[in-house]
Amino acid sequence: RKEVEQDPGPFNVPEGATVAFNCTYSNSASQSFFWYRQDCRKEPKLLMSVYSSGNEDGRFTAQLNRASQYISLLIRDSKLSDSATYLCAVNSRGSQGNLIFGKGTKLSVKP
Amino acid sequence: NAGVTQTPKFRILKIGQSMTLQCTQDMNHNYMYWYRQDPGMGLKLIYYSVGAGITDKGEVPNGYNVSRSTTEDFPLRLELAAPSQTSVYFCASKSVGTDTQYFGPGTRLTVL
Repeated sequence: RKEVEQDPGPFNVPEGATVAFNCTYSNSASQSFFWYRQDCRKEPKLLMSVYSSGNEDGRFTAQLNRASQYISLLIRDSKLSDSATYLCAVNSRGSQGNLIFGKGTKLSVKP
Repeated sequence: NAGVTQTPKFRILKIGQSMTLQCTQDMNHNYMYWYRQDPGMGLKLIYYSVGAGITDKGEVPNGYNVSRSTTEDFPLRLELAAPSQTSVYFCASKSVGTDTQYFGPGTRLTVL
């Protein structure tokens, strides 16, 4: 099992749709979890940290399921501008903050 | 603050040539990282540094070297470029006590 796995997509959704991505991780000792957004040919930018209790930022909701070792990202009311690749990242205790990234899930929001 | 800056933005190398990718951050972050991202893939850690004078290997260090003589700068050196090193290289930094990494705009390298 790979350390961090994501469905590569692409997810093609119409504007206004709700879309969800999952990311599974193999190391049960992982402590911190993140969703990054990466636009084509650009650097990753932090979208959200993922907390145990779940967290929401506007149209975006992130959740953590430690028992099943996955994190999720829910996007409501999709906008054209949400089209991007979404990378999940996981680090482990004592790893000097080193992140392990998934390959990313590509989202394309159509008019 | 400029954040994390990288130069050059693009570079084409011939096999066997060498070059240094520059990375500078002005946020006084202790931790700095070099990643490479191949098409359709996630980022893989090449080297990282937890402070000036301290560097360590990541997942894919072969063919690369780094140095960290100052807090601000973390150059990545390719000594004998190979086609397998064609990739986009991202530098990142973070401060002590946080997990959020900030990325530079990347250097797109092609080795022919």
